[in-house]
Amino acid sequence: NAGVTQTPKFQVLKTGQSMTLQCAQDMNHEYMSWYRQDPGMGLRLIHYSVGAGITDQGEVPNGYNVSRSTTEDFPLRLLSAAPSQTSVYFCASSYPGLNTEAFFGQGTRLTVV
Amino acid sequence: AQSVTQLGSHVSVSEGALVLLRCNYSSSVPPYLFWYVQYPNQGLQLLLKYTSAATLVKGINGFEAEFKKSETSFHLTKPSAHMSDAAEYFCAVRSSNDYKLSFGAGTTVTVRA
Repeated sequence: NAGVTQTPKFQVLKTGQSMTLQCAQDMNHEYMSWYRQDPGMGLRLIHYSVGAGITDQGEVPNGYNVSRSTTEDFPLRLLSAAPSQTSVYFCASSYPGLNTEAFFGQGTRLTVV
Repeated sequence: AQSVTQLGSHVSVSEGALVLLRCNYSSSVPPYLFWYVQYPNQGLQLLLKYTSAATLVKGINGFEAEFKKSETSFHLTKPSAHMSDAAEYFCAVRSSNDYKLSFGAGTTVTVRA
């Protein structure tokens, strides 16, 4: 049982490049989310999904796309990387419910130069 | 929208001293509150959560939090700090409308020998 797995762990991109951050969970969780973490700002929600085929925007969605074709996978796509997207990205998953625990991946540290 | 505010971005305590981390929430409905911990270069893990069954919630590693509706607070405490408690701590609230999990800005704890 691996939990939530994110790849890659580190990435450097040039401005304007695109890439996909991968997230996979093996706990059969319906809810999955992507957050970015920046110093002094906590974690901000980018996009989330309540099940396969269903996605919605979070607090800071601009410049990012997601899709959810399976329960297990929830990739995050950066369309045209900008220096403002330099951050640490976390994927999380949980069962449905208001007081259920969210499980987090180890994060992807992205630098855009 | 529901939100949380963490007072103090950095707390420094001596080993063996009380750890007190403050969290206040804004919610017009019963909140679903969580505390998470993040050790350096790792993802977040759950310390404890408020489930409405009891106002004093016990978590892992000797931490506990008290829900006070009159003060809209959910402060985290540990009676005696250990060096291993050095980490960043996040308070979070889940919205009952759309299940989104929103985080405070975080409090970094350092423990002095």
